[in-house]
Amino acid sequence: GAVVSQHPSRVICKSGTSVKIECRSLDFQATTMFWYRQFPKQSLMLMATSNEGSKATYEQGVEKDKFLINHASLTLSTLTVTSAHPEDSSFYICSARDYPTSTSSGANVLTFGAGSRLTVL
Amino acid sequence: DAKTTQPNSMESNEEEPVHLPCNHSTISGTDYIHWYRQLPSQGPEYVIHGLTSNVNNRMASLAIAEDRKSSTLILHRATLRDAAVYYCILRPNSGNTPLVFGKGTRLSVIA
Repeated sequence: GAVVSQHPSRVICKSGTSVKIECRSLDFQATTMFWYRQFPKQSLMLMATSNEGSKATYEQGVEKDKFLINHASLTLSTLTVTSAHPEDSSFYICSARDYPTSTSSGANVLTFGAGSRLTVL
Repeated sequence: DAKTTQPNSMESNEEEPVHLPCNHSTISGTDYIHWYRQLPSQGPEYVIHGLTSNVNNRMASLAIAEDRKSSTLILHRATLRDAAVYYCILRPNSGNTPLVFGKGTRLSVIA
């Protein structure tokens, strides 16, 4: 089945530094990837939609200059948290749809990465 | 995605069946009912989906009410590894759109 890989799984950084999280579709191409953020005991909140070869679309309230998204290839999207602060500490999760497989199986299913836990000190 | 309502939490004994309910009274005719679950410190994973008929797969069964305004995810024999948050989400069967997550049901499994 479709696999989405995230790296790093955990990262600790100092306040003011930038952190890059990678999201890769391992066995399929993804023109679109979705980035979510999840705070403890809360549900997943959609941050942005990453589009290969074009600008990402951000949800209301998400600062595009703080959360930089690059989707330079059909298998890789990156999320960079710039000038991170303790309030950015969260669980970041990406997802994508394996279009050919999901279409052939009749299911509009998204595959999620295992998540990246960011702790900003 | 249309709104769904689920209990905040449920508890089950190990090796007993679990019925996780979901209400979706505003479901449209083209919405499929999807279930995902999120194990602790993991990303969500797909469980099952259906439109009108009941569905079975290796993970679970999905029972859909005749009027489609509610559904039930059935885990036939809960194990400790089934402890997770279960999300019921309405979704069209086409379109590369994100999932919109509600609060889900936190299932605890007692040994």
